[in-house]
Amino acid sequence: AQSVTQPDIHITVSEGASLELRCNYSYGATPYLFWYVQSPGQGLQLLLKYFSGDTLVQGIKGFEAEFKRSQSSFNLRKPSVHWSDAAEYFCAVGNYGGSQGNLIFGKGTKLSVKP
Amino acid sequence: DAGVTQSPTHLIKTRGQHVTLRCSPISGHKSVSWYQQVLGQGPQFIFQYYEKEERGRGNFPDRFSARQFPNYSSELNVNALLLGDSALYLCASSLVAVSNQPQHFGDGTRLSIL
Repeated sequence: AQSVTQPDIHITVSEGASLELRCNYSYGATPYLFWYVQSPGQGLQLLLKYFSGDTLVQGIKGFEAEFKRSQSSFNLRKPSVHWSDAAEYFCAVGNYGGSQGNLIFGKGTKLSVKP
Repeated sequence: DAGVTQSPTHLIKTRGQHVTLRCSPISGHKSVSWYQQVLGQGPQFIFQYYEKEERGRGNFPDRFSARQFPNYSSELNVNALLLGDSALYLCASSLVAVSNQPQHFGDGTRLSIL
């Protein structure tokens, strides 16, 4: 069965510093991978997605993610964090199982930004 | 264009009651999925509907049911509410029900069980 692991529950970075959020997935073939962001009291907003091709994908709000098959990872990065980036970030994989189209999420990483 | 809309925003119920949550997908989207997000966890898949048919069901008890209407809106019903059903219920829509389709989420319904 597919699964997603986000090893970091909570990360704090200073405003202007770089950011990397880790995500590891478990799946035999090439997965469909997504990063979502959730601000307090709100739903999830899609940041970026990976299906195939170029392993470095660009998303909204200056985020990017790199797919590394050898490490089963899909880490999210941003070169310079803004205070408005404080939120919870979820990595997800598209389910190839009995239900075509649902997502399997990691437990999330909460990002705090220091001024 | 309007995004995914969910109603109500918040709901308070007591144990044993039932609840109906509603979702309107983005215009043109034919697939609707429901997720439960317990505090501190990632969303967990409950149901997916496509063209009014159930396409998938997560590991939830039979107290949970859903349906999709001809206009592609959807309802999630939960019977015999338990304290553990307290969560944020998220609805997501996509054009079709395949794994490479990005899902677009509403802001959710916060359900509290007393």
